[in-house]
Amino acid sequence: DAGVIQSPRHEVTEMGQEVTLRCKPISGHNSLFWYRQTMMRGLELLIYFNNNVPIDDSGMPEDRFSAKMPNASFSTLKIQPSEPRDSAVYFCAIQVTEAFFGQGTRLTVV
Amino acid sequence: AQSVTQLGSHVSVSEGALVLLRCNYSSSVPPYLFWYVQYPNQGLQLLLKYTTGATLVKGINGFEAEFKKSETSFHLTKPSAHMSDAAEYFCAVSGGRDDKIIFGKGTRLHILP
Repeated sequence: DAGVIQSPRHEVTEMGQEVTLRCKPISGHNSLFWYRQTMMRGLELLIYFNNNVPIDDSGMPEDRFSAKMPNASFSTLKIQPSEPRDSAVYFCAIQVTEAFFGQGTRLTVV
Repeated sequence: AQSVTQLGSHVSVSEGALVLLRCNYSSSVPPYLFWYVQYPNQGLQLLLKYTTGATLVKGINGFEAEFKKSETSFHLTKPSAHMSDAAEYFCAVSGGRDDKIIFGKGTRLHILP
């Protein structure tokens, strides 16, 4: 966990609202990943960046989801508009050889 | 492309008994293999990894795993289970450094007193 700080840890929002999840890597890396974890689908890779460039976003479920990485120390995952089925824990991870995960953001859309 | 299959979504063992969590992988290139553990309300933590070299890999908390190319397996073992081992365990594979890591669906380990 020491390599990645995610905020907020918990987010409750109403359907239709915009949600922004934040990730701050605090150690050197080349790649950054966003994952979503649910009971039904397990851990899903949404998107990953290499040297701040999106490499593979095939896991992003819909156009409502977007991710940015403006610099090596910051990334965001945005959902607009949010829906109840987006409720999940979202993890950011950095990778050199293995992945180092943040604590996650638990999102609840009501 | 890589994929990983974990056999058994739930495994129960008695305290003090052998822990065996099964993982099979598929990879078109020499794989990097990982085991992660997740405790409630926390992120995933690396237990151990195989990249190259010795096929028996030792990790934290007394866990180890053996890379068997002929069987495309990377099973996780621990000789004696402890109550604190109760958690969810994920096997993962990648095609090498900087390649995306693909995770299995996880195995929840229950320790019986």
